[in-house]
Amino acid sequence: RKEVEQDPGPFNVPEGATVAFNCTYSNSASQSFFWYRQDCRKEPKLLMSVYSSGNEDGRFTAQLNRASQYISLLIRDSKLSDSATYLCVVNIGRDDKIIFGKGTRLHILP
Amino acid sequence: EAGVAQSPRYKIIEKRQSVAFWCNPISGHATLYWYQQILGQGPKLLIQFQNNGVVDDSQLPKDRFSAERLKGVDSTLKIQPAKLEDSAVYLCASSPGTGMAGANVLTFGAGSRLTVL
Repeated sequence: RKEVEQDPGPFNVPEGATVAFNCTYSNSASQSFFWYRQDCRKEPKLLMSVYSSGNEDGRFTAQLNRASQYISLLIRDSKLSDSATYLCVVNIGRDDKIIFGKGTRLHILP
Repeated sequence: EAGVAQSPRYKIIEKRQSVAFWCNPISGHATLYWYQQILGQGPKLLIQFQNNGVVDDSQLPKDRFSAERLKGVDSTLKIQPAKLEDSAVYLCASSPGTGMAGANVLTFGAGSRLTVL
């Protein structure tokens, strides 16, 4: 089983819709979780950290389910500018080893 | 705050040639990572340094790849000899380090795009 798994998509979603991505991780000792965003031919950039209690940043909500070992990202009222690849990232807890999923591609359609 | 600097941005070589990439992390960041990103995939961790020591290099193809961070600041990643499948973007990232505020948050450089012909 891969350390971090994501549905690669693409997700083609009309502007204004709500879209959700899930990600599963295999190491139960994982400590920290993140979502990064990567635009075409650009480097990944931190979108948000994921906390046990769940957290929200504007239109974005991230949640963590430790029992089932998955994290989720919800985007409400999607904008054209949300089109990107969303990378699920896990610190598997040994010396800050940071592992990326393969990413989920999102296309917001006008 | 200056970001993570990488060079060169682009490199085209023929198979069996060698290439080196350079990274200068954010000042004061103890942890430095090299990732390989093949088109359409997520970044794959090649090697992780904590100061000038290697923390993890389990995914580094050591028969052809080498990396060093001699003074705990700049780092160099070398490939010799290159293969066609090494065509990828090589991303360098840094973070403050274990126990520091924002310890796990990575800041990436713009990447070095390698094409092997």
